[in-house]
Amino acid sequence: KAGVTQTPRYLIKTRGQQVTLSCSPISGHRSVSWYQQTPGQGLQFLFEYFSETQRNKGNFPGRFSGRQFSNSRSEMNVSTLELGDSALYLCASSRRLADTQYFGPGTRLTVL
Amino acid sequence: AQSVAQPEDQVNVAEGNPLTVKCTYSVSGNPYLFWYVQYPNRGLQFLLKYITGDNLVKGSYGFEAEFNKSQTSFHLKKPSALVSDSALYFCAVRDMRSGAGSYQLTFGKGTKLSVIP
Repeated sequence: KAGVTQTPRYLIKTRGQQVTLSCSPISGHRSVSWYQQTPGQGLQFLFEYFSETQRNKGNFPGRFSGRQFSNSRSEMNVSTLELGDSALYLCASSRRLADTQYFGPGTRLTVL
Repeated sequence: AQSVAQPEDQVNVAEGNPLTVKCTYSVSGNPYLFWYVQYPNRGLQFLLKYITGDNLVKGSYGFEAEFNKSQTSFHLKKPSALVSDSALYFCAVRDMRSGAGSYQLTFGKGTKLSVIP
């Protein structure tokens, strides 16, 4: 069974640009969560989705947004990129909201 | 609010010796507790979880963890460390308080485990 896939794996952008990251969950999983990982702040929760509905959002500015499609695939978007947005963005999927989350390899975003 | 503390940034252990990576948590309701491992340039890999039942939980690769409600701890253990166990370990908690409305994981800062040959 294929794991969680994230594309692209690496991304370099400049300040002010916007970026879209994609996540395909494990087949049969309907819940997707996103986390940001940085050396200074560690792993921080961004969003969680279930059946195309955002169930919760972490403490991030409105520049961070996301969505989930009917096939459970999810995207997150960051607009007006800042240097501090450089991070590893991790997507995790679970069969249902309360189940174990399985993580993808992440997208490494570098903002110059 | 839920929180997790991993008091050691780094743990060094000799190959073949037992290892322990410490974790304490704070939640309002009943906790679901998890351990994940991260290798360089990789995502997080699930090791084990505690939901209810036996306080000693067995997981992947010979790891186990002991849930202690009175001490609000969930320490990760392995009887005999391997060099290949060297990685970054994260403890995470989910608050299963009724009506919490969110199933997000709250992670500790991580503990770097180095197993010395």
